[in-house]
Amino acid sequence: AQSVTQPDIHITVSEGASLELRCNYSYGATPYLFWYVQSPGQGLQLLLKYFSGDTLVQGIKGFEAEFKRSQSSFNLRKPSVHWSDAAEYFCAVANMDSNYQLIWGAGTKLIIKP
Amino acid sequence: ETGVTQSPTHLIKTRGQQVTLRCSSQSGHNTVSWYQQALGQGPQFIFQYYREEENGRGNFPPRFSGLQFPNYSSELNVNALELDDSALYLCASSLRQGDNSPLHFGNGTRLTVT
Repeated sequence: AQSVTQPDIHITVSEGASLELRCNYSYGATPYLFWYVQSPGQGLQLLLKYFSGDTLVQGIKGFEAEFKRSQSSFNLRKPSVHWSDAAEYFCAVANMDSNYQLIWGAGTKLIIKP
Repeated sequence: ETGVTQSPTHLIKTRGQQVTLRCSSQSGHNTVSWYQQALGQGPQFIFQYYREEENGRGNFPPRFSGLQFPNYSSELNVNALELDDSALYLCASSLRQGDNSPLHFGNGTRLTVT
């Protein structure tokens, strides 16, 4: 069965420091992968997606993610975080056997130290 | 362009009662999906509607039901509420069914069952 694992429940980084959030997926074929961000009291906003092609994907708000098939990973990165990046981040894979419905990780809460 | 709107934002119900949650899809989107997000977890797919027909369902009992109207807005109905139904209910619309169109989420309805 398809699944998504985000190993880190919480991550704390200092403002201005670099960030990497981990995501591992289990899927037989080439996956469609997504990163979403959820601020408190808000819905989910798409940061970036990978369908095919260049394995390094650029998204909004200065985020990028790299698809590594050999590691079944799709880690999210940002070179320098801002206090406004504090939120919960979700990785998801599209279930192409079920109308592309998304299977989600449990999320990683990002805390920014001043 | 109007985004996805959900109502109400918060709701408190008693165990055994019934509830209806509403969602207006983004302009031009004909597909609506509903997700349940329990505290500290990623969203879980409930079902999807496309052109007023249910088109895919997750692992939820029949007391979770829905509708989609000709204007593509949607309702989620939950009968015989249980304490475990307490969650954030998210509606997402997309451009068309059965492909990888990104989901656009509303801010959700927070349901508390006491």
